[in-house]
Amino acid sequence: DQQVKQNSPSLSVQEGRISILNCDYTNSMFDYFLWYKKYPAEGPTFLISISSIKDKNEDGRFTVFLNKSAKHLSLHIVPSQPGDSAVYFCAGNTGTASKLTFGTGTRLQVTL
Amino acid sequence: DTAVSQTPKYLVTQMGNDKSIKCEQNLGHDTMYWYKQDSKKFLKIMFSYNNKELIINETVPNRFSPKSPDKAHLNLHINSLELGDSAVYFCASSGQGASKNIQYFGAGTRLSVL
Repeated sequence: DQQVKQNSPSLSVQEGRISILNCDYTNSMFDYFLWYKKYPAEGPTFLISISSIKDKNEDGRFTVFLNKSAKHLSLHIVPSQPGDSAVYFCAGNTGTASKLTFGTGTRLQVTL
Repeated sequence: DTAVSQTPKYLVTQMGNDKSIKCEQNLGHDTMYWYKQDSKKFLKIMFSYNNKELIINETVPNRFSPKSPDKAHLNLHINSLELGDSAVYFCASSGQGASKNIQYFGAGTRLSVL
């Protein structure tokens, strides 16, 4: 039972353009969502998060949008840079349990 | 100065052996976790400890035993290793209050069971 799904295993975007990574979830108990970025042979690095009571959170080039009715969130990266090339994981958290449930990741490649 | 550090980074061993992976965090966090990333790249929680007390155990086989000597350390001991235990194991930690939802990960330990 995969509660968090990232249906696009990979995405290629040109440098300077917008990257949009999508994530769907099924667990209505999630009250916090996070995006992590992962380079090869490294651990996931926290990128940005959003509480379930909000619909948007922005941090520099990164914006996360949450649509609770559709159980969907997305990460926008504008403008995309070659250093953004990595695997991006979406995760949901139920506050009381404080355990992250991850999606399977989307590999983003930003080309020159 | 690494916030969450795991040792070793790579571990190659034979089936049936017992091995340990160590994890230390210097962030002053109260909660620590072990995650397993399998061959399909699916990252799944195994255990969670809060102030040396087990709070999450996600139906992990008894061969896996976490040990927390203090709140800055959470080690993972695995008995009678099996081929299916081959994976990357990540340690993580989180704090209190407003940042309690954000977990910080170590670089991972790649375990290969031959």
